[in-house]
Amino acid sequence: DQQVKQNSPSLSVQEGRISILNCDYTNSMFDYFLWYKKYPAEGPTFLISISSIKDKNEDGRFTVFLNKSAKHLSLHIVPSQPGDSAVYFCAARNYGGSQGNLIFGKGTKLSVKP
Amino acid sequence: GAGVSQSPSNKVTEKGKDVELRCDPISGHTALYWYRQRLGQGLEFLIYFQGNSAPDKSGLPSDRFSAERTGESVSTLTIQRTQQEDSAVYLCASSLGWGDTQYFGPGTRLTVL
Repeated sequence: DQQVKQNSPSLSVQEGRISILNCDYTNSMFDYFLWYKKYPAEGPTFLISISSIKDKNEDGRFTVFLNKSAKHLSLHIVPSQPGDSAVYFCAARNYGGSQGNLIFGKGTKLSVKP
Repeated sequence: GAGVSQSPSNKVTEKGKDVELRCDPISGHTALYWYRQRLGQGLEFLIYFQGNSAPDKSGLPSDRFSAERTGESVSTLTIQRTQQEDSAVYLCASSLGWGDTQYFGPGTRLTVL
């Protein structure tokens, strides 16, 4: 059973426009969420996170929105740039649990076209 | 001040052979994690070390998989009698402490023929 789902395997956006990447989760015990970006042949790099006590966190061009009632979060990138082209992974953690590991989605490949 | 490093970057082996993968975490990071990414899949948690506590092995897929960590430094992931389904990218991450942001290495691409 997939606890973190990214239902869109790919997304193509024009440079300068907004990119919206979506993520759904099933475990209501998750209370901390992260987005990682991954370029080919590199490990994932941390991008932005949000605690469940918030509904929005913004860092420059990147904003993450959390809708706890819908168990849904999204990452907005605006304006999108060609260098943003990568695979984006949504991850969740049960911060109050015993494990420190993250539960990852399958990723969404973002292509930003010039 | 280097990040997480992993070796080898690529490993091709024959079915039935044992392999050993190495991870050097960021200096001072007490927590270390191993994940696996199969083709077209997300990252799958394997094992987690935190300081001197007993490791959390709940993600290891079979008893062919084992991992060790010496203190708060290097970790090795060993896969015995490799199978074709073990082919994946094996990623290591470390964090300052439990619950802190995890920083990933570049991974080891394992191919079992």
